[in-house]
Amino acid sequence: GAVVSQHPSWVICKSGTSVKIECRSLDFQATTMFWYRQFPKQSLMLMATSNEGSKATYEQGVEKDKFLINHASLTLSTLTVTSAHPEDSSFYICSASPRRVQYFGPGTRLTVT
Amino acid sequence: DQQVKQNSPSLSVQEGRISILNCDYTNSMFDYFLWYKKYPAEGPTFLISISSIKDKNEDGRFTVFLNKSAKHLSLHIVPSQPGDSAVYFCAASGAGGTSYGKLTFGQGTILTVHP
Repeated sequence: GAVVSQHPSWVICKSGTSVKIECRSLDFQATTMFWYRQFPKQSLMLMATSNEGSKATYEQGVEKDKFLINHASLTLSTLTVTSAHPEDSSFYICSASPRRVQYFGPGTRLTVT
Repeated sequence: DQQVKQNSPSLSVQEGRISILNCDYTNSMFDYFLWYKKYPAEGPTFLISISSIKDKNEDGRFTVFLNKSAKHLSLHIVPSQPGDSAVYFCAASGAGGTSYGKLTFGQGTILTVHP
């Protein structure tokens, strides 16, 4: 299968600061990557579709100014949580694939204090 | 509106027996279905998938069955092993265009395999 990495694996930040999470496809090029969020004991919720060279597409209810996505190359997408608040604390996961099956990164645990 | 549903929050099975995890969907535009295994604080790991043109796909101990008319799929694990204990997510995606690659997940089923 394809390999997707994320960095950092966990981060703690203070309320009001911004945090950037990186998602990389290691052995393939990805024109599209997806960002998900998972709350404790809940399912994965799609937040946005990251498109290389163009604007991201956000799912209904997701604030695009809050969650900035940049897909500057065919192997890297970044998610920046701006002016983070405690309610943004969650597990963020990205996925990508050269084919129909999506492969997921290991996830990033964000804790906002 | 929950388009993909896993109605069993948990399942407990004896080692060596069969585990059957179920999933229902409502969106007839879904044409590709996947099962993922997930541990806490990790990303989902792909297990097996099936296209809507098929009704069965098998990979080792894992078999997925699709009943399109009932909008139902199931994952069979035989024989079950303690290492299979995890949360299992059913996911679905639609054909081309903006739906390609986007996954809609079920709520997950916690599988526990007892030695």
